[in-house]
Amino acid sequence: DAKTTQPNSMESNEEEPVHLPCNHSTISGTDYIHWYRQLPSQGPEYVIHGLTSNVNNRMASLAIAEDRKSSTLILHRATLRDAAVYYCIPASGTYKYIFGTGTRLKVLA
Amino acid sequence: KAGVTQTPRYLIKTRGQQVTLSCSPISGHRSVSWYQQTPGQGLQFLFEYFSETQRNKGNFPGRFSGRQFSNSRSEMNVSTLELGDSALYLCASSFGAGGYTDTQYFGPGTRLTVL
Repeated sequence: DAKTTQPNSMESNEEEPVHLPCNHSTISGTDYIHWYRQLPSQGPEYVIHGLTSNVNNRMASLAIAEDRKSSTLILHRATLRDAAVYYCIPASGTYKYIFGTGTRLKVLA
Repeated sequence: KAGVTQTPRYLIKTRGQQVTLSCSPISGHRSVSWYQQTPGQGLQFLFEYFSETQRNKGNFPGRFSGRQFSNSRSEMNVSTLELGDSALYLCASSFGAGGYTDTQYFGPGTRLTVL
């Protein structure tokens, strides 16, 4: 199983962009990179996923390094509602997600 | 579309008892996964069911078991409860077509406290 390394915590000011890094140097060539976040007192929720190229959706953007050993989740304008623990997860063909410790994002008003 | 529902939301048991938790997936989803979340160990995968068959299992003792019904609803059971089983138990549902790109939708969890 691929392992991930993320900063324990990060802070951002409201309305500013946030770049959340993840190292997944042991990822296999076919694993997708998924990002989920867990808001306080809720179950995790899907944010975005990608394989090789950069991806965008209404919530965020995902930048994947060319060697696929790292990726960065980008929140373009952080709001107070984005305060959560963010997890990057290498997804293989199974649904057996290996959650790391994640990054706790604090958004300052 | 209704989300993943879990019942009960809160549960208090004593050591040695057993407990059954229930999960109703999103309509049309055939895969149900279970996770345990504790402050010390974080989120850990328990098992995954698809079409009433267990497809994957995490590294938990045999006291933890589950099953899935023909309507995709799932239950998990923990027998001979220990204090360390106190946790938030999360259920997630997916279409089941494959984990590469499929999204897991998590329920709110069942908070189990073992006294």
